Amino acid sequence: NAGVMQNPRHLVRRRGQEARLRCSPMKGHSHVYWYRQLPEEGLKFMVYLQKENIIDESGMPKERFSAEFPKEGPSILRIQQVVRGDSAAYFCASSTGSRSATNEKLFFGSGTQLSVL
Amino acid sequence: GENVEQHPSTLSVQEGDSAVIKCTYSDSASNYFPWYKQELGKGPQLIIDIRSNVGEKKDQRIAVTLNKTAKHFSLHITETQPEDSAVYFCAASIMEYGNKLVFGAGTILRVKS
Repeated sequence: NAGVMQNPRHLVRRRGQEARLRCSPMKGHSHVYWYRQLPEEGLKFMVYLQKENIIDESGMPKERFSAEFPKEGPSILRIQQVVRGDSAAYFCASSTGSRSATNEKLFFGSGTQLSVL
Repeated sequence: GENVEQHPSTLSVQEGDSAVIKCTYSDSASNYFPWYKQELGKGPQLIIDIRSNVGEKKDQRIAVTLNKTAKHFSLHITETQPEDSAVYFCAASIMEYGNKLVFGAGTILRVKS
């Protein structure tokens, strides 16, 4: 039973380029959350999606950042025109989306470390 | 919105001793409190969680306690082992539709052998 899969594990971009981070949720999970972690800090919520729908994007920067979770394929976090301040670890988590107490647990992937040169 | 504070930021214990990490939250509507362990280069791993209708939960050497009145919850690790060394994060959320977790800043736990 594969867990949450994120790729790439490491991504290097030059300032001004685009970064695309991918996340495949656990089997049976239809809800995806993206978090950002700066060095020596906790995880900060960015966006919460279900298939073809953005539920909550209150943590997303207003510009350059976007996220999607299409009907088919992984969830994508896209960062346009990256700047050095975007360098961080980006984690994806998934859940079933059920209101059951046991099913709302979030399971995290291993993350993508983005480095902007 | 919710704010979660976590203490201490670093904790060193001798192997076999107990470790306690404490968190406070601000939103009295929060009803779900998980703890995650993160090892170097890996994603956070859920180790234990508690709902607001329960005051204490235990799983082998790990226990979590919740005081809703004071709005704080704690992680207790007994008989610590070197493999317990990691960063531990507490989190809180209002689990309705979805589960948007707000995390504490983390505690670096070092278990000395």
